[in-house]
Order: sequence, then C-alpha cells, then structure tokens
Amino acid sequence: NAGVTQTPKFRVLKTGQSMTLLCAQDMNHEYMYWYRQDPGMGLRLIHYSVGEGTTAKGEVPDGYNVSRLKKQNFLLGLESAAPSQTSVYFCASSPGLAGAHTQYFGPGTRLTVL
Amino acid sequence: AQKVTQAQTEISVVEKEDVTLDCVYETRDTTYYLFWYKQPPSGELVFLIRRNSFDEQNEISGRYSWNFQKSTSSFNFTITASQVVDSAVYFCALSEVVQTGANNLFFGTGTRLTVIP
Repeated sequence: NAGVTQTPKFRVLKTGQSMTLLCAQDMNHEYMYWYRQDPGMGLRLIHYSVGEGTTAKGEVPDGYNVSRLKKQNFLLGLESAAPSQTSVYFCASSPGLAGAHTQYFGPGTRLTVL
Repeated sequence: AQKVTQAQTEISVVEKEDVTLDCVYETRDTTYYLFWYKQPPSGELVFLIRRNSFDEQNEISGRYSWNFQKSTSSFNFTITASQVVDSAVYFCALSEVVQTGANNLFFGTGTRLTVIP
C-alpha cells in the first residue's frame, strides 16, 4: 500500500514551458487536493476534486489546471510556467464522508522555474 | 476567514526536555477540525492528529499530547521527553468545508523544532 505518490520528485523548467504533475493514490479515496508550499508559509490550496470527473478551484488557482479522469489520479498542469510558480507541490487525498476531513499527503514535488 | 497562528518560528531544546508548540486559530464556523502535521527533514507531511470542535478532551499518544481549548481558540501540542527524531517542522491546520466532505486546510506557518542531543 503506497498511499499517495507524486511524480516527478524534482523538476526544473524555463519560463513559458509547460508540465504536468501526477498524483496517484491507492487508498480508494474520494477526494483529492493540490497544495503549494512556499518558504516560511504554510500550504495553500490550489485545486481540489470531490470525485472522478469533477474539479474545483481553491485559494490560489491562477496559472494551474487540473484533471481527474480516474478516481486514483489527480493531475496538476502548468500551461506556461512562471518564476512565481517555483514552489513545493503537495498532493493529498481523503476518504469519503466518514473520516473525510483527514488528508493524507504525498512526498511533494519540488519545482523550480527559471 | 480561517486563520491559524503559530507564533513560535523556531524552538531548540535539549534531548529529554519537554516542549510545547502553540497554535491559535480563528474561525466563524461552529463545526471545524484542527490538525497537527509533522514535516521531517525529508520533506513529507505526516498526519499526527485530528480534533473536531465538539470534542475538547485532551489526547495523549505516547510522548505526544494535545490540549484543545475552545475558550482561548488554542490547540497546543506537547512533546514529552523529546528525542532527536522529533526534529522537524510542525504545522497546525484548521479545516474549512468547501463542499460536502471536502475541506480546505488552512495551515499555520509552522514551528521548526530542533532537538539537540
């Protein structure tokens, strides 16, 4: 049982390039989330999903898109990367309504945009 | 809006000392959840505890204990007899329901704990 995994672990992009971060969970959780963590700050919610085929915006969604085509996967896309998107990105998942409020996090992806 | 304040940016203790990490929160919700997460040097976020707003009982788990007081909007975390492996950044978080069953977690800025051998 791997829990929540994220691919890749590290990535360096040039301004304007695009990329997709993959999050996968094997716990059959309904809900999935993408957060970013910046130095000296806590995590902030980018987008989330309450089920396969559904996504919604969080606190800081600008510059990102997401998709949840399969229940176990949640993709975060950067269409045109900017230096302000340099951050550590965490994916999380939580169960259905019973115990829904506890989120379990992946190991993070460190992204640098030059 | 939800807000979590962890006023202690960094704390250093000598091994075997007790240490308390403070967390103060703000919310207008009557139902909410509070969390503590640990982020060790390896970078992952490890869930430690969840507490709902209706349950003010303190909780103890081994060397860890949590004190939840609604009257002061605080959810403090104490490590007894600290060990080097406790060295990490600890985050307090407060939930906001965004849709039924789904929550946004508002995180504090974290407290970096260093346990000196």
